Amino acid sequence: GEDVEQSLFLSVREGDSSVINCTYTDSSSTYLYWYKQEPGAGLQLLTYIFSNMDMKQDQRLTVLLNKKDKHLSLRIADTQTGDSAIYFCAERINDYKLSFGAGTTVTVRA
Amino acid sequence: NAGVTQTPKFRVLKTGQSMTLLCAQDMNHEYMYWYRQDPGMGLRLIHYSVGEGTTAKGEVPDGYNVSRLKKQNFLLGLESAAPSQTSVYFCASRRTGTNTGELFFGEGSRLTVL
Repeated sequence: GEDVEQSLFLSVREGDSSVINCTYTDSSSTYLYWYKQEPGAGLQLLTYIFSNMDMKQDQRLTVLLNKKDKHLSLRIADTQTGDSAIYFCAERINDYKLSFGAGTTVTVRA
Repeated sequence: NAGVTQTPKFRVLKTGQSMTLLCAQDMNHEYMYWYRQDPGMGLRLIHYSVGEGTTAKGEVPDGYNVSRLKKQNFLLGLESAAPSQTSVYFCASRRTGTNTGELFFGEGSRLTVL
């Protein structure tokens, strides 16, 4: 299957941590991704994780992968107003294709 | 280095009209894609191309045609626009031989069909 599911909205207070969750269905996926879309712009790769890893940390970003449950999460520490965006989870289906979730709109409030 | 450029950025069509969206990339990427983005549905793949002169159908190809006559360009055509094709269209590209498979996206083309 190629379904990627994620919640649609998340509201977080500035300075708190944000956690965005995603589930995927293709157990053979080699790479899983988080893309960020700022208002009026295209998507940009934020981070990715290879399927043989459980965790990846990159500055304020932490990606956790639970292969048994096919669950991926993105934690943003010390969330800032510039983090307000839509975050897309995606899995690599094959060499040509990625399957994207519907996107989680993150709103950072003061 | 412009990356991926889409034209036009906005367009309003009447039902039944035709139009072409142009995507151009200057990164010498082999693979190119057209997605549509609709609220609550995320990105859905319309068509893609793995090289000059080749195209393939994605998840939602009906009502669209594509062409890849030059490596740097990928055209998306609507022969007879319908209101259901109101959407934001994104072009993306990536190079082969990369393990991560990162896609590079254009800024999007917002199409409204009345």
